[in-house]
Amino acid sequence: SQTIHQWPATLVQPVGSPLSLECTVEGTSNPNLYWYRQAAGRGLQLLFYSIGIDQISSEVPQNLSASRPQDRQFILSSKKLLLSDSGFYLCAWSVGSGGTDTQYFGPGTRLTVL
Amino acid sequence: ELKVEQNPLFLSMQEGKNYTIYCNYSTTSDRLYWYRQDPGKSLESLFVLLSNGAVKQEGRLMASLDTKARLSTLHITAAVHDLSATYFCAVDSYNYGQNFVFGPGTRLSVLP
Repeated sequence: SQTIHQWPATLVQPVGSPLSLECTVEGTSNPNLYWYRQAAGRGLQLLFYSIGIDQISSEVPQNLSASRPQDRQFILSSKKLLLSDSGFYLCAWSVGSGGTDTQYFGPGTRLTVL
Repeated sequence: ELKVEQNPLFLSMQEGKNYTIYCNYSTTSDRLYWYRQDPGKSLESLFVLLSNGAVKQEGRLMASLDTKARLSTLHITAAVHDLSATYFCAVDSYNYGQNFVFGPGTRLSVLP
């Protein structure tokens, strides 16, 4: 069966500090991978998606970046965090061409920027 | 641009009552997904609706899809406290650059 991991689970960072969040998927090959952000009490905003190694598309221009160094590893980064980067970051995976299939979500990372 | 709306955004209901959550979307799509999110937790997939007229049921929840009306409903029968959560619908836009678009969520609170 497939499982998805995210770490860390929680993170408190000062404004201007760097960020690295990691997501890994087990039990499947060549998954489509996604990063979402959820602000407190709000819906989900798609940040990045990837259909393969080093194939990443950005949905929203901002100070975040994503990388996929391995087939089942997806990393979200920032060089300098802003207060507005606080939120709940969710990684998701799916299979199927064109990303058109159910997305399964990881446990999330709760980021607080002070 | 694909837009997904949910109605209501907040719902407080008593145990034992029935209610329906509505999900409207703005462009053609044959795929609609319902998710549940408990407070502080991640999203859990509930239903996948893949064609016009599709109906799925699990326990006290039943989801349906009308692609012509661009409408999906999530019906709650005889609500219990354990159903308290936020429910999201998501639509597959077929435009790969846009992928899933989520609705804003309906926060359901079932009172004893």
